[in-house]
Amino acid sequence: AQSVTQLDSQVPVFEEAPVELRCNYSSSVSVYLFWYVQYPNQGLQLLLKYLSGSTLVKGINGFEAEFNKSQTSFHLRKPSVHISDTAEYFCAVSEIGTASKLTFGTGTRLQVTL
Amino acid sequence: GAVVSQHPSWVICKSGTSVKIECRSLDFQATTMFWYRQFPKQSLMLMATSNEGSKATYEQGVEKDKFLINHASLTLSTLTVTSAHPEDSSFYICSARVRLAVSDTQYFGPGTRLTVL
Repeated sequence: AQSVTQLDSQVPVFEEAPVELRCNYSSSVSVYLFWYVQYPNQGLQLLLKYLSGSTLVKGINGFEAEFNKSQTSFHLRKPSVHISDTAEYFCAVSEIGTASKLTFGTGTRLQVTL
Repeated sequence: GAVVSQHPSWVICKSGTSVKIECRSLDFQATTMFWYRQFPKQSLMLMATSNEGSKATYEQGVEKDKFLINHASLTLSTLTVTSAHPEDSSFYICSARVRLAVSDTQYFGPGTRLTVL
C-alpha cells in the first residue's frame, strides 16, 4: 500500500513571493504522482501529473513540480504567487496497475496575502 | 478538458431519509467512476469504485448497504445515502477515469454538500 505525506498543513506567503509545497510518498512499487487544487466548496482540479520521463513537470497556472525518486518526493513550486492561488493543494499517488485508485495527502492550505 | 458534473451541489435532509447524488461525465464516456468523502479541513477518502454494468467495489469500512452505488450507463453514476443520519453529513465528490495512451487520469466533479438534520 502507498501513503502520501504533506508535512505543511498551512503555508502563508506574500503575493509575488515564491512558494514550495512539500510532498513525500511511500510505495513499494512504481507510482504516478499528481497535484490537485481545491478552491472553497469546489471539487478538485488537476494541476499537473508525473507519469514518466522528465522529472520536472509543468502544469497550469504557472505551477511546476519535480519528481525525486531517491528522496521519494514530488514538491510543488511556483516562482511568484498571486492572491487567486489561495486554495487547498493535495498531492496524490496512484500505483501503476491499480486501476487509478488515488491516495491523497492531507492537503496544504496556501494562503496568499498582500 | 474532461468535464464532470454533480447534482445536486448541496442538499439538506431530515434524519432517516435517503438522498441520491448524481455524477455525470459530460463530454466523455467513463467506464469507471470513483466516490470520495471529505470531512471539513481533511483529505479525500475513497469510498468506492463504480464500474459500469457491474457491482461497485467498496473500500474497507464503508457500508455498502448504506451507500448504494449504481453505474447504469457510461456517463452516469449515482450514490444513494440510505437512512441518512447527522454523521453522514459531509462533502461527497465523484471522479471519472479517463483512459489515456500512457496512463489514466481522474477528473473530479464539483462536489455535493450533504447536511443531515
